[in-house]
Amino acid sequence: QVQLQESGPGLVKPSETLSLTCTVSGGSISSYYWSWIRQPPGKGLEWIGYLYNNGNTDYNPSLKSRVSISADTSKNQFSLKLSSVTAADTAVYYCARRIAVPSTGLNWLNPWGQGTLVTVSS
Amino acid sequence: DIQMTQSPSSLSASVGERVTITCRASQSISTYLNWYQQKPGKAPKLLIYSASSLQSGVPSRFSGSGSGTDSTLTISSLQPEDFATYYCQQSYSTPVTFGGGTKVEIK
Repeated sequence: QVQLQESGPGLVKPSETLSLTCTVSGGSISSYYWSWIRQPPGKGLEWIGYLYNNGNTDYNPSLKSRVSISADTSKNQFSLKLSSVTAADTAVYYCARRIAVPSTGLNWLNPWGQGTLVTVSS
Repeated sequence: DIQMTQSPSSLSASVGERVTITCRASQSISTYLNWYQQKPGKAPKLLIYSASSLQSGVPSRFSGSGSGTDSTLTISSLQPEDFATYYCQQSYSTPVTFGGGTKVEIK
């Protein structure tokens, strides 16, 4: 079955760019849509964006000016870049697969990676 | 953006008790509603998709219902392993939004 694993630096300095990678195993990233979601410590879930299998993206307007999601099909990975980070970007970052029913558009996130904590601090 | 409001924000219930969590959307989302369970230090896990479809491998004591603006997650007989936080999520339109979560504690 499909499994996802996030990786990247656990500490990023303010004003720098956060970069994370999600490695997908058990399936091709070209066959599905993918997502990044984050969760600040002790708080709820915030959707960051989607990467569609045609390379198109859809971002949360609250982050759109700072976020980029892209794929490396040769490595079966997709990545997240978030620029100009502040302490408010400290969170556990999750990657997940978006499953959709073509005829209805119904969609959900499954599975999720285990998550990786990124702390923004000098 | 579609706002998702969950209630209650927390509850305490006994093993074997029936538990109901409600999620209300700020506009109609048909059945574009999913439920996730999150245990401490773990990633969210899909329980229910499309409002009422049980994800494979999830115990049948979990069920979902609703359409439009109101949806419900029911645990028919609460088990000790159900201690967790539950989130609803609308997938009707982007930005995708989640409810604030309901923390279920075992009494």
